Amino acid sequence: GAVVSQHPSRVICKSGTSVKIECRSLDFQATTMFWYRQFPKKSLMLMATSNEGSKATYEQGVEKDKFLINHASLTLSTLTVTSAHPEDSSFYICSATRQGGWSYTFGSGTRLTVV
Amino acid sequence: AQSVTQPDIHITVSEGASLELRCNYSYGATPYLFWYVQSPGQGLQLLLKYFSGDTLVQGIKGFEAEFKRSQSSFNLRKPSVHWSDAAEYFCAVVPSNDYKLSFGAGTTVTVRA
Repeated sequence: GAVVSQHPSRVICKSGTSVKIECRSLDFQATTMFWYRQFPKKSLMLMATSNEGSKATYEQGVEKDKFLINHASLTLSTLTVTSAHPEDSSFYICSATRQGGWSYTFGSGTRLTVV
Repeated sequence: AQSVTQPDIHITVSEGASLELRCNYSYGATPYLFWYVQSPGQGLQLLLKYFSGDTLVQGIKGFEAEFKRSQSSFNLRKPSVHWSDAAEYFCAVVPSNDYKLSFGAGTTVTVRA
């Protein structure tokens, strides 16, 4: 079955530094990847949609300069949280789909803590 | 406005009892419908999905869901819960002309012995 690997699973960084989170589709080509943010006891909020080779499309209210998304290949998308602050601490989850399908495979998530 | 609603924030059920989780949606046309389960600190696992056809959908782990167009609902059920079913459950929808999945607020299920 389709597998999406997300790394790291947990990261602690200092305020002001940048953190990169990777999302890889291991056994399929992911033409579209989605990045979500989840606050404790809350639902998943879609941050952005990325298509391979194109600029990401950000949801309203999401700072594209703070959350840099790159989808350079059909198997890899990255989310970089730039100049992280404590309020960026959250659980980030990626999801990937094949072309033309509504089959979503989720990564296991990344717990980001900014201190 | 398009929305997906899970009215129950938290449900406690005894092991062996039945479980029903509610999901209602508000979309112009019937969207594609999903139920996911999330264990603490983990990603999401698909339980089942509905695109068209038979309105009673069977999923993994003994779960099923019924699509009711007249009620704009897609409720999830399990006849007999196990302690391992304790988790967060999310209903999700996507319009048939889009790929962006939108999630309900989630329902936390606690299973008591």
